[in-house]
Amino acid sequence: GQSLEQPSEVTAVEGAIVQINCTYQTSGFYGLSWYQQHDGGAPTFLSYNALDGLEETGRFSSFLSRSDSYGYLLLQELQMKDSASYFCAVPSGYSTLTFGKGTMLLVSP
Amino acid sequence: NAGVTQTPKFQVLKTGQSMTLQCAQDMNHEYMSWYRQDPGMGLRLIHYSVGAGITDQGEVPNGYNVSRSTTEDFPLRLLSAAPSQTSVYFCASSFGTVNTEAFFGQGTRLTVV
Repeated sequence: GQSLEQPSEVTAVEGAIVQINCTYQTSGFYGLSWYQQHDGGAPTFLSYNALDGLEETGRFSSFLSRSDSYGYLLLQELQMKDSASYFCAVPSGYSTLTFGKGTMLLVSP
Repeated sequence: NAGVTQTPKFQVLKTGQSMTLQCAQDMNHEYMSWYRQDPGMGLRLIHYSVGAGITDQGEVPNGYNVSRSTTEDFPLRLLSAAPSQTSVYFCASSFGTVNTEAFFGQGTRLTVV
């Protein structure tokens, strides 16, 4: 089976940096994805890491360590609009996803 | 480009009723999936399809049926609705392979009373 663990909630202030961690246990591992979901909205793709290291896309970065079964999403220069839920997920061979339970990020002024 | 379109957006059913949640995509994606999202549970896979005529079960398939007669459409049928099926349902599609972005519809909020 597959399971992913991530914190349920993280709080931060505007302009700060926040890191959302994700540890996983999988029977077969292809990579780690991150999705963002605003309240009442659809999940939207943020990033995918197949190899160890840091991938940067604007204010967001994602890191993967395959040897530690661990990854994180790093959000810099936080804005109020970043308040959302963030999910780590592992893809299967059939393009389906197993998701973590999500981390709610609350950004305050 | 509409992407993934789900209908209806909201639905209230009585226990025992049946209904079909519609999902259509216009990106010519081979892979489509249905997920349900419950508070504090993340998204869980119900059924998926790797192409027209090919479907398979996910993590929580009981009480649901699917079929895939065309590349564009992937409807989800609730056979006899139960309160435990109260949830938000998301349809997703992707081009394929493991490192491909999944595109989600806006969801159907279903309440079974």
